[in-house]
Amino acid sequence: KAGVTQTPRYLIKTRGQQVTLSCSPISGHRSVSWYQQTPGQGLQFLFEYFSETQRNKGNFPGRFSGRQFSNSRSEMNVSTLELGDSALYLCASSQKTDMNTEAFFGQGTRLTVV
Amino acid sequence: AQSVAQPEDQVNVAEGNPLTVKCTYSVSGNPYLFWYVQYPNRGLQFLLKYITGDNLVKGSYGFEAEFNKSQTSFHLKKPSALVSDSALYFCAVRDMRKANNLFFGTGTRLTVIP
Repeated sequence: KAGVTQTPRYLIKTRGQQVTLSCSPISGHRSVSWYQQTPGQGLQFLFEYFSETQRNKGNFPGRFSGRQFSNSRSEMNVSTLELGDSALYLCASSQKTDMNTEAFFGQGTRLTVV
Repeated sequence: AQSVAQPEDQVNVAEGNPLTVKCTYSVSGNPYLFWYVQYPNRGLQFLLKYITGDNLVKGSYGFEAEFNKSQTSFHLKKPSALVSDSALYFCAVRDMRKANNLFFGTGTRLTVIP
């Protein structure tokens, strides 16, 4: 069974640009969550989608947005990039949204904003 | 409020010795606790979880974790450390305030010395 696939693996963007990251969950998983990982802030929750609906959103500005398609694939978009958006962006998928269900992570997309 | 704390940023252990990576938690209600490992430039890999039942949980790669309700701890352990265990370890708890998403600790870097 293929794992969570994130594309691209690496990105370099200029301040003010926008970027779209993609995540393909494990087959059969309908929940997709996004996290931002930085050395200073650690792992922070961005948002979660289940059956094409955003269930919850973390404390990030509106420049960060996402969506989920009918095949459960998800994209996140960051507009008007800032230097501080440089981070590893991780996507995780779960079969369900229960408390006892583990999440499986992709390898991440390393975004560098210059 | 849900939270986890990893009091040690860095743990060093000699190869072949037992290892412990500490985690304490604070939750409202029953705790749903997880351990993940992250190797350089990779995503997070699920190791094990505690939902209910036995206080000693066995997971992947020979790791286990001991749940202690009175001490609100969920320490990760392994009887004999390998050099290949060197990585960043994260403890996490399901956050009921955020639609059950994972709230991560700050991480502990484990170095196994040959």
